[in-house]
Amino acid sequence: DIQMTQSPSSLSASLGARVTITCRASQNITNFLNWYQQKPGRAPKLLIYGATNFQSGVPSRFSGSGSGTNFTLTISSLQSEDLGTYYCQQTYASPPAFGGGTKVEIK
Amino acid sequence: QVQLVQSGAEVKKPGASVKVSCKASGFTFTDYYIHWVRQAPGQGLEWMGVTNPSGGNTAYAQNFQGRVTIIKDTSSNTVYMELSSLRSDDTALYYCAREDGDTSYFDYWGQGTLVTVSS
Repeated sequence: DIQMTQSPSSLSASLGARVTITCRASQNITNFLNWYQQKPGRAPKLLIYGATNFQSGVPSRFSGSGSGTNFTLTISSLQSEDLGTYYCQQTYASPPAFGGGTKVEIK
Repeated sequence: QVQLVQSGAEVKKPGASVKVSCKASGFTFTDYYIHWVRQAPGQGLEWMGVTNPSGGNTAYAQNFQGRVTIIKDTSSNTVYMELSSLRSDDTALYYCAREDGDTSYFDYWGQGTLVTVSS
């Protein structure tokens, strides 16, 4: 099975800061990499699919990059509504595995 | 609008089974895969299995083989997930989510169903 490793597991940043979350796959997954945001008490919400594509309605401060085994989610200017936990997911091969999550807090 | 509405919270004793439903509306049920994902308290997301509503094929995560069954009812646009031989570490939120077979991402999720396993 493909393993997904996210870092950091948590971070605290100031409003307006640039935030970067990384995700590494245990093998080449080309661009079959999705990012989800989960706010406390809510179901996950799709942010980015295919490594770089925005889901409809997602603010432009979110962006995704990478291919192969190394991927990045960037929030260009952190807003208060961005607090929550972010998960990467590979769908290159079954089972579709999630990373361990990155909890984002506002400093 | 697209909706996945799940059944309510359950409390079960160890060794029992639980059946959670996920009713779809606002889209063509037979065009989408329906996945089940669970989340233990304070933990991450764990994929459990998937069904293809049109073809009836299912696939399950190795961790749940033999304990989980996913069933579709196309007459009511509902997918069921049954987990048997419950243990205390099965206490979790259980989510259904849909995937377009051409796109490989989970674009809509149910609201989650809390299953508590306690003696």
